[in-house]
Amino acid sequence: DIQMTQSPSSLSASVGDRVTITCRASQGISNSLAWYQQKPGKAPKLLLYAASRLESGVPSRFSGSGSGTDYTLTISSLQPEDFATYYCQQYYSTPPRTFGQGTKVEIK
Amino acid sequence: EVQLVQSGAEVKKPGESLKISCKGSGYSFTSHWIGWVRQMPGKGLEWMGIIYPGDSNTRYSPSFQGQVTISADKSISTAYLQWSSLKASDTAMYYCVRHVADDYGDYWGQGTLVTVSS
Repeated sequence: DIQMTQSPSSLSASVGDRVTITCRASQGISNSLAWYQQKPGKAPKLLLYAASRLESGVPSRFSGSGSGTDYTLTISSLQPEDFATYYCQQYYSTPPRTFGQGTKVEIK
Repeated sequence: EVQLVQSGAEVKKPGESLKISCKGSGYSFTSHWIGWVRQMPGKGLEWMGIIYPGDSNTRYSPSFQGQVTISADKSISTAYLQWSSLKASDTAMYYCVRHVADDYGDYWGQGTLVTVSS
């Protein structure tokens, strides 16, 4: 199975900050990467797919980049509603479609 | 509007069987893979497996193969996750997820909390 490692596991930031979360795959995944946001007590929500494609309805302050094994999720200007846990997921090759362990974004 | 509506919370004893459900609406149920994701208390997301309701083709994570059964009834647009003998370690929230191809999830159900305790 492909292993996904996110960093950091948590971070504290202020409204308006630029936030970057990294996801590293145990092998190359050819941009087959999705990012999700999960708020407490809620189901996850798809933010981006194919590493950099924004899901319909997701604010443009969210962006993704990367290639090979290393990918990033960037929030350009953190908003109060963005405090949540973020997960990456690879979907390269055959299942399982493994998730990273999550990054919790907290208020500073 | 695409919706996935899951069955309600369950409280079971170790060794009991259980089948939870996920009803899809607002899209062609037989044309999209639908899967299950586990989230243990305070923990991250774990991909369990998926099924294509059109032909019942099913794929499991090795971690869950043999531990659960994923099925679907396309006549009522409903997917299922079942256990034959629950363990305390099965206590978790379970989400059903519509997949784009068999890749990533674009629509999620509200979750079903399963509690297994003696």
